[in-house]
Amino acid sequence: ILNVEQSPQSLHVQEGDSTNFTCSFPSSNFYALHWYRWETAKSPEALFVMTLNGDEKKKGRISATLNTKEGYSYLYIKGSQPEDSATYLCAFLRTGNQFYFGTGTSLTVIP
Amino acid sequence: KAGVTQTPRYLIKTRGQQVTLSCSPISGHRSVSWYQQTPGQGLQFLFEYFSETQRNKGNFPGRFSGRQFSNSRSEMNVSTLELGDSALYLCASSPSGQGTIETQYFGPGTRLLVL
Repeated sequence: ILNVEQSPQSLHVQEGDSTNFTCSFPSSNFYALHWYRWETAKSPEALFVMTLNGDEKKKGRISATLNTKEGYSYLYIKGSQPEDSATYLCAFLRTGNQFYFGTGTSLTVIP
Repeated sequence: KAGVTQTPRYLIKTRGQQVTLSCSPISGHRSVSWYQQTPGQGLQFLFEYFSETQRNKGNFPGRFSGRQFSNSRSEMNVSTLELGDSALYLCASSPSGQGTIETQYFGPGTRLLVL
């Protein structure tokens, strides 16, 4: 069984705070890491696809970094807004294999 | 472009019954993957279909099966339902499927309650 761990499990921040969470995955046979954002009552929506060690991706106030050698990725949100409230999932893709999802980090941004 | 659709959205069944869930992928996508989510668990991979063939299978009992039609629509069947099968079932589509770096596009899910 392959373990993909996300921490923290949940997070409450004030509007305007910056925050970050972690996705840890096995460092062997890495192929790609995906980040998804899942709002309540909606479908998970892709944020980033990361493939290379040292990758940094950015979309508005959200950015992500990747370290494949040590097996982790960080997701950062700068100046959190209430609309950022969602569960953030990472999915590890091993070479030629299926996606393995973490359990997610639930973010609540308090106005 | 229409998104991934799943029917039904909600379902209540009793133990021992069987259920069929349907997923229509985005037009042009040939891969459909199915996932189960239960409280406290991440999305657990059930299986992937590509061009009507099962290409990958997760660690679920044989009561869980699926198929894909020539138009890429997919169905998932669970026979002899157990209480533990109560979950949100998500399907996701992509052009070429798992084993590539393509983004998966998820449907809204079917919430199954087994009584």
